[in-house]
Amino acid sequence: GAVVSQHPSRVICKSGTSVKIECRSLDFQATTMFWYRQFPKQSLMLMATSNEGSKATYEQGVEKDKFLINHASLTLSTLTVTSAHPEDSSFYICSASWLEYEQYFGPGTRLTVT
Amino acid sequence: GDSVTQMEGPVTLSEEAFLTINCTYTATGYPSLFWYVQYPGEGLQLLLKATKADDKGSNKGFEATYRKETTSFHLEKGSVQVSDSAVYFCALTLPRLNNAGNMLTFGGGTRLMVKP
Repeated sequence: GAVVSQHPSRVICKSGTSVKIECRSLDFQATTMFWYRQFPKQSLMLMATSNEGSKATYEQGVEKDKFLINHASLTLSTLTVTSAHPEDSSFYICSASWLEYEQYFGPGTRLTVT
Repeated sequence: GDSVTQMEGPVTLSEEAFLTINCTYTATGYPSLFWYVQYPGEGLQLLLKATKADDKGSNKGFEATYRKETTSFHLEKGSVQVSDSAVYFCALTLPRLNNAGNMLTFGGGTRLMVKP
């Protein structure tokens, strides 16, 4: 199956700093990438959908100025958590798909804000 | 709106026991249905899927049948192993007209614990 990677897998940052998470489709071109957030023992919450070369579409309640998403190429999307606070600590998962086809998920990034 | 409901966990079974995790959905239209598995500290992996009514998805001994009449997609396995311990998510997707990708709607997840 198709492979999606995320980097870093774990990151610890201080409150007030920004952190960038990368999501890459390794063996296919992703027209659409999705960013999810998962709280402990809970389901995935879709944060935003991004199409290559256009602005991301954010779900209701997600602050677009805090969670900056860039989908600059068909194989790379980045999520930047700006001015991070402890409540932003979470497990962030990306997925990628080609047109209407299946989503392939990355392994996730655990963010801890101290 | 579209939604997926699955049984709350945790589900605790002994090795070789029979597993059923219930999943029902509401959707406008004809969704595709999925089961994903998440092992501790990892992302999601597609376990199986079905794209139309009466289809049966199967993989690694797991099965689920798309039942349109009961709007269900229950996950079953005849004999679970300790290595099956994970969180299982039922999900659906519907075709989108704006070619913006197939957005998934997830259930709440069911944690399975299999004891030796």
